[in-house]
Amino acid sequence: SQQGEEDPQALSIQEGENATMNCSYKTSINNLQWYRQNSGRGLVHLILIRSNEREKHSGRLRVTLDTSKKSSSLLITASRAADTASYFCATSNAGGTSYGKLTFGQGTILTVHP
Amino acid sequence: GAGVSQSPSNKVTEKGKDVELRCDPISGHTALYWYRQSLGQGLEFLIYFQGNSAPDKSGLPSDRFSAERTGGSVSTLTIQRTQQEDSAVYLCASSLKPGGPASGVSYNSPLHFGNGTRLTVT
Repeated sequence: SQQGEEDPQALSIQEGENATMNCSYKTSINNLQWYRQNSGRGLVHLILIRSNEREKHSGRLRVTLDTSKKSSSLLITASRAADTASYFCATSNAGGTSYGKLTFGQGTILTVHP
Repeated sequence: GAGVSQSPSNKVTEKGKDVELRCDPISGHTALYWYRQSLGQGLEFLIYFQGNSAPDKSGLPSDRFSAERTGGSVSTLTIQRTQQEDSAVYLCASSLKPGGPASGVSYNSPLHFGNGTRLTVT
């Protein structure tokens, strides 16, 4: 299994509903980041949560981190059609020589229907 | 200001040819990364440059792949004798703080990505 695995692989919801995506990882981390990717584009950073934080908010985004379960969730409230994209979690290793190396999961494809 | 710029945006090449992909990071960003993304997949780490330190090449899939970063700015990823399995989108990213104990800075810098180069090997 890979570090940073998201589930579900695909999520389809109606505009106005909340979308929740989960990410699990295996090794100790320094921080966990969520990125968004629109089709044919690069990734855009959404939010970063440090290993000593449990919850973080940014606009309609809410991220939680449970280091005991090695898992994180991304909640998008009151979703909009423009939120349609792929969402990736990425973990930054806590030790070793992997300074700054982010390991990405396979992503969740979110479709928000108007 | 300008974001991370990658060129070309699309590249079609014949099997066995060499290709060069270019990345212009954000000015002042000392860290630069190359990732590869196959269709519908996550990102595969290739190589990481951090300031003047030796690059982390642990993700390069074979010795046909190499990368350099000149003057601490522009980077070129070269793939020699391309194979069909090299077909993918190659993404470059840069960040402001390199992170890591050696720099005394935490790893907490987000990456800024370019739009990638879509490589097709026929």
